[in-house]
Amino acid sequence: ETAVFQTPNYHVTQVGNEVSFNCKQTLGHDTMYWYKQDSKKLLKIMFSYNNKQLIVNETVPRRFSPQSSDKAHLNLRIKSVEPEDSAVYLCASSLDWGDYAEQFFGPGTRLTVL
Amino acid sequence: GDSVTQTEGQVALSEEDFLTIHCNYSASGYPALFWYVQYPGEGPQFLFRASRDKEKGSSRGFEATYDKGTTSFHLRKASVQESDSAVYYCALGDGSSGNKLIFGIGTLLSVKP
Repeated sequence: ETAVFQTPNYHVTQVGNEVSFNCKQTLGHDTMYWYKQDSKKLLKIMFSYNNKQLIVNETVPRRFSPQSSDKAHLNLRIKSVEPEDSAVYLCASSLDWGDYAEQFFGPGTRLTVL
Repeated sequence: GDSVTQTEGQVALSEEDFLTIHCNYSASGYPALFWYVQYPGEGPQFLFRASRDKEKGSSRGFEATYDKGTTSFHLRKASVQESDSAVYYCALGDGSSGNKLIFGIGTLLSVKP
């Protein structure tokens, strides 16, 4: 049963455009995350939020910016996309932000930059 | 920094074979260790975790034992099924700066009927 929802499923765009991805969780969790999964299936954390506060901000280009309106929503905006941004972007949530916490992932948004 | 090493990028087995996927980690203290599984078109799913030396995690016939001495958390299953075909990720919980998972490269398991 899906509890972390991501839209859109796919997005194709041109270099230089702006894109925005949405994520919503219905689990009542306090912490949400964005991960990037590249073409080789490598998974890397980008951001994490706890109670709408930014907790983790890995070294990602400044054109990436997360946006949190409440605990249940965490969006990702990319200004002026580059070809290397082509990837699957995965949203996740966890009950709290301890390092032992199980994370629940959405199905991902596949971005293709032409 | 903390890291996770999965030595097998791909594993091909037949049904009822024994599975081992090796996972070693590098971190101080006792980080939480996880196994996640990802089926095509889906996000990773939590399989199980362990956070103490000699603790065994298990789920769906898969198991792994936390070994501080060898810094390992190898995934094993006695008899795989075709439905186990997926990508398996070993991960480490880095709580030093908020909860972030550091993933290994992933192991693609293909099981032939």
